[in-house]
Amino acid sequence: SQQGEEDPQALSIQEGENATMNCSYKTSINNLQWYRQNSGRGLVHLILIRSNEREKHSGRLRVTLDTSKKSSSLLITASRAADTASYFCATAKTGANSKLTFGKGITLSVRP
Amino acid sequence: DAGVIQSPRHEVTEMGQEVTLRCKPISGHNSLFWYRQTMMRGLELLIYFNNNVPIDDSGMPEDRFSAKMPNASFSTLKIQPSEPRDSAVYFCASKRTGDTEAFFGQGTRLTVV
Repeated sequence: SQQGEEDPQALSIQEGENATMNCSYKTSINNLQWYRQNSGRGLVHLILIRSNEREKHSGRLRVTLDTSKKSSSLLITASRAADTASYFCATAKTGANSKLTFGKGITLSVRP
Repeated sequence: DAGVIQSPRHEVTEMGQEVTLRCKPISGHNSLFWYRQTMMRGLELLIYFNNNVPIDDSGMPEDRFSAKMPNASFSTLKIQPSEPRDSAVYFCASKRTGDTEAFFGQGTRLTVV
């Protein structure tokens, strides 16, 4: 079964609004990562947060991690039409020697 | 570096034929992953290698699928015989061991008719 489960499955917002996407997982992890996929392309890494970190920022991205709830959120502030894509969380399980397992993804549509 | 290189980009084959997908990871990366992506199942991990050794192949659907990594710069995923339900986009990704990001190839879109 998938280690990471994102919600919502689909999100549609207006340009300029913030987009919040959530991810839950089941086992202990070394790190959690968020990726983006444009239609017909491969996945591109956005941000990595380690299990001993609670929050990280990168440009307009903010990711949080709550290991007690086994959940993470990705916030995109001041969204742009170019942010339209699918977003995936991926987890690296503790002791699993680099294995990365992905959720099913969230489809984000940003209307201009 | 040119990134992770996959070939072919598109493959159309008839049911029962053998299909071989190829991947060249980024130089210096010692972990390599094969994923399959479909609308129904999302992104499934098929198999991954560390230092050319298969570590976990529990995601390989059945005996028709096999993967090899004969050296640090090349891996193949073979389907023999292929079936229509194997139609999907197959991604190869590589990374360094540890808390590092994975780099994905552009994928191979496989259609089995």
